[in-house]
Amino acid sequence: DIVMTQSPLSLPVTPGEPASISCRSSQSLLHSNAYNYLNWYLQKPGQSPQLLIYLGSIRASGVPDRFSGSGSGTDFILKISRVEAEDVGVYYCMQGLQTPCSFGQGTKLEIK
Amino acid sequence: QVQLVESGGSVVQPGRSLRLSCAASGFTFSSHPVHWVRQAPGKGLEWVAVISFDGSNQYYVDSVKGRFSISRDNSKNTLYLQMNSLRDEDTSVYYCARDRTNTYSGALDLWGQGTLVTVSS
Repeated sequence: DIVMTQSPLSLPVTPGEPASISCRSSQSLLHSNAYNYLNWYLQKPGQSPQLLIYLGSIRASGVPDRFSGSGSGTDFILKISRVEAEDVGVYYCMQGLQTPCSFGQGTKLEIK
Repeated sequence: QVQLVESGGSVVQPGRSLRLSCAASGFTFSSHPVHWVRQAPGKGLEWVAVISFDGSNQYYVDSVKGRFSISRDNSKNTLYLQMNSLRDEDTSVYYCARDRTNTYSGALDLWGQGTLVTVSS
């Protein structure tokens, strides 16, 4: 099974400043179709998770362009160019290359 | 309105069974694989199971294999999760979520609001 490891687990950020979250997988997530099957989610307080980034770097519909995803193989990064108050919550990476699918532990972003 | 609505969560004793439902509306349900994801109180997300768009394939996390069964009725636009031999550690909010394409990618672009299952004597 593929194990997903995120860092940091806690991320205090000043509004307007950038933020980044790392996600590492125990096996390559590169599919034969050249896409990385790595997805990013945000779970805001009291809400269901929402898809931010899929296939490693593609922003989901309606996601602000301050969010970006990068990386390939086993190492991935989610970047927020300028954090806003509405970005608070827990961020998860998830691999969809193999079943069982698996999530990282989550990174809690809070505003300083 | 494009949505998924879960139901069926309740308090149940260890060893008993429960069936969750997830009703889809506003999109072509039969074109998408659908997943169950759960979240124990105060914990992170855990993937549970997925079923293919036509119901022909199902996959599970090891901890529920042999106890849980995922199924779907495309004529009713409904997903199910039959949970047998429930354990304390199955206590969670259970979400159903749609995979964005007709193949598995883990890109879950539509989630329900969740339904709470509490296993307790």
